Amino acid sequence: GENVEQHPSTLSVQEGDSAVIKCTYSDSASNYFPWYKQELGKRPQLIIDIRSNVGEKKDQRIAVTLNKTAKHFSLHITETQPEDSAVYFCAAAYSSASKIIFGSGTRLSIRP
Amino acid sequence: DAGVTQSPTHLIKTRGQQVTLRCSPKSGHDTVSWYQQALGQGPQFIFQYYEEEERQRGNFPDRFSGHQFPNYSSELNVNALLLGDSALYLCASRGRRTGELFFGEGSRLTVL
Repeated sequence: GENVEQHPSTLSVQEGDSAVIKCTYSDSASNYFPWYKQELGKRPQLIIDIRSNVGEKKDQRIAVTLNKTAKHFSLHITETQPEDSAVYFCAAAYSSASKIIFGSGTRLSIRP
Repeated sequence: DAGVTQSPTHLIKTRGQQVTLRCSPKSGHDTVSWYQQALGQGPQFIFQYYEEEERQRGNFPDRFSGHQFPNYSSELNVNALLLGDSALYLCASRGRRTGELFFGEGSRLTVL
């Protein structure tokens, strides 16, 4: 069945360093890969997404890469700041209109 | 713009009871999805409603049912509650022209 695996489950980095979260998906028909940030007690919020016709997408300090052949995608956060501390979820879907399958989340902590 | 609103925010039920959760989508959105988020886990897709019909369903038993009204608002009903149904129930909406899902703050259900 459809499955998205996410690693690591927890990640602690020094402020200013980079953080990388990796995901794999099982359904080769997946074409849409959003990333969500969920702060404690808050709703998940979309921070960036990528579609299968693109290998990389960047938005300021955040970038995502996609390897469709290997069914891997990753989130890269550069120059991390305290406000980046949150739980991050990767997800995959057939399209942006279909059901979204989430990974289990990565708790990112930024050390001052 | 009020965004996605959900009610109630918190509720406590006992095993065997029934619960109804409510959701109003973001203005301009016509598609509503429901997700279950257990503590420390990623959101799990329950079902999606569009034009008052269930369009997609995740791996949840028939105890979970829903409804969408002509004004696009939605309800999630869970019958014969089990302890394992304790979770944060998230409603998300999107418009026909955009795939971005907007989540509500959720309804936290505790089953005793």
